[in-house]
Amino acid sequence: NAGVTQTPKFQVLKTGQSMTLQCAQDMNHNSMYWYRQDPGMGLRLIYYSASEGTTDKGEVPNGYNVSRLNKREFSLRLESAAPSQTSVYFCASSPAGQGVGYTFGSGTRLTVV
Amino acid sequence: AQKITQTQPGMFVQEKEAVTLDCTYDTSDPSYGLFWYKQPSSGEMIFLIYQGSYDQQNATEGRYSLNFQKARKSANLVISASQLGDSAMYFCAMREGYSGYSTLTFGKGTMLLVSP
Repeated sequence: NAGVTQTPKFQVLKTGQSMTLQCAQDMNHNSMYWYRQDPGMGLRLIYYSASEGTTDKGEVPNGYNVSRLNKREFSLRLESAAPSQTSVYFCASSPAGQGVGYTFGSGTRLTVV
Repeated sequence: AQKITQTQPGMFVQEKEAVTLDCTYDTSDPSYGLFWYKQPSSGEMIFLIYQGSYDQQNATEGRYSLNFQKARKSANLVISASQLGDSAMYFCAMREGYSGYSTLTFGKGTMLLVSP
């Protein structure tokens, strides 16, 4: 099925460890996004890539880096994980244009101990 | 200031009744879009309905309608004839401007519980 695929679905890290969350979409969308969801906070934008070759910071970028590897793939890296980064991470994509919503991946539940 | 405000942390409704989930927004941009997403307990984000700032009529999608009151900056979601499967978290979101580079800003959500 077409859509947004995130890996892994679950991950437990120790404080200070690094990891990369992978995201790929097969809908030929231009834009991709990374959000985190915390209880009572809704979804907050970490980074986004408006088009291949560009990335920009969102609301909560500290402690993260991203790479838009190609049009399909957008990865999120935690260089030195902290307990405050325990969250559910969503990748999303969208075509260009205002009146279109995002297609979301199924999420990655990350716990940092 | 918050761009999207959802004042109801939780709502309860009986099956087959209608329910309104509130959303107010804040923007000075004349061009914007408003979205509602559903997140069931399984965790996925499901797009429900969209309203553009220049749309003259309220958006409808099946049992979902968006009560758009531009002057009051409100975009409430109305679910008619609630079903047990409607129990979920609901998020209101806004995308400002008509640039393809704008991003969605979400509210904090409203948890809806539908009882038999």
